[in-house]
Amino acid sequence: QKEVEQDPGPLSVPEGAIVSLNCTYSNSAFQYFMWYRQYSRKGPELLMYTYSSGNKEDGRFTAQVDKSSKYISLFIRDSQPSDSATYLCAIHRQDTGRRALTFGSGTRLQVQP
Amino acid sequence: DSGVTQTPKHLITATGQRVTLRCSPRSGDLSVYWYQQSLDQGLQFLIQYYNGEERAKGNILERFSAQQFPDLHSELNLSSLELGDSALYFCASSVEADPYLNYGYTFGSGTRLTVV
Repeated sequence: QKEVEQDPGPLSVPEGAIVSLNCTYSNSAFQYFMWYRQYSRKGPELLMYTYSSGNKEDGRFTAQVDKSSKYISLFIRDSQPSDSATYLCAIHRQDTGRRALTFGSGTRLQVQP
Repeated sequence: DSGVTQTPKHLITATGQRVTLRCSPRSGDLSVYWYQQSLDQGLQFLIQYYNGEERAKGNILERFSAQQFPDLHSELNLSSLELGDSALYFCASSVEADPYLNYGYTFGSGTRLTVV
């Protein structure tokens, strides 16, 4: 079983829709949660960072963490064609030797104009 | 521009060959991470250096090695290349050794390696 599971999509939505992207993780030791956006042929860029259960909002983006269910979500409101990209969740824990982020496989999102 | 510079952007080479990928971290960042991204495996962590010393190892093959130099740039060496090594190789950097202290880290644009 992978440590982080993410539906690869693709997910196609019309412009203006609310998008929900999700990841599940297997180990409750994970404490820090991030969402990255990756455009085609580019490196991932950090969108959201959170370390507690609950919601964190930044403009049109809301990150949600439910540690009891080991479930994280990213919501995009009023989606735009420019949001078309692959979205990767990333998690981290402070175990000895565990110094790097673990990424989900990414969900490809297409927002249709 | 993220501030993390990777060269070359594209590399095509034959099986059995050896290549070197180069990464210059963002100014002030001491930690460098290497990731491999392929279609079927996603982003896989290879290795991390912090201020010149190896800090953590992930799924890095024995045919692969890396180092970080005194000026903090890093090189990833891939040898005895196989078709399956074709992938995007990303470098990322951060100030601190642990990602949670940095609110994640910053990626470069990657090197696309094609082994033929």
